[in-house]
Amino acid sequence: EAAVTQSPRNKVTVTGGNVTLSCRQTNSHNYMYWYRQDTGHGLRLIHYSYGAGNLQIGDVPDGYKATRTTQEDFFLLLELASPSQTSLYFCASSGEGAQNTLYFGAGTRLSVL
Amino acid sequence: GEQVEQLPSSLIVQEGASVLINCSYTDSASVYFPWYKQEPGKRLQFIIDIRSNMERKQNQRLTLLFDKKTKHLSLHITATQPGDSAIYFCSANSGTYQRFGTGTKLQVVP
Repeated sequence: EAAVTQSPRNKVTVTGGNVTLSCRQTNSHNYMYWYRQDTGHGLRLIHYSYGAGNLQIGDVPDGYKATRTTQEDFFLLLELASPSQTSLYFCASSGEGAQNTLYFGAGTRLSVL
Repeated sequence: GEQVEQLPSSLIVQEGASVLINCSYTDSASVYFPWYKQEPGKRLQFIIDIRSNMERKQNQRLTLLFDKKTKHLSLHITATQPGDSAIYFCSANSGTYQRFGTGTKLQVVP
């Protein structure tokens, strides 16, 4: 089964703080995604990538940066965290983009105080 | 862009009952519709999907119906068990990524 690992699992920071969320997949998938999950909104896409060095914006990219350093590793960066970014963040990977199943990580719960 | 709506937002049923979860989308170019299940405290997992050239797909107790004309999907779960308690998400592809509905929280009580 596909393996997507996120770290940390929980993170607390203060307003204006700097946070990096990490994601590693070992499925040899080209596509990787960062979603945030909020009650009443479902999952919303922040950024995605279809290969090392490639970055694409999703539906809610403001306040977030991302870097795809290798096929396996995808990072989400919050350089000036705000309380509105308190959320549950999921990383996912897929083989060929939107027409294939997403494999999700276990999630990172971020609290910005 | 694609908008995906899902109803109801929550429901509670007795074990053994059947449930129906409805999903609608707006982008007529969407062709792939996977559904995911999120058990409490766990990651989302794929459960069933359908493509726009099909009307119906079944996987054990799950049946997914698709109406391209009305842009509507229905997930039917029969003989529910406590292990079916979870949040269910429909999604629709739109260009190069999937957009998700707001989720349906299902609680199955013994």
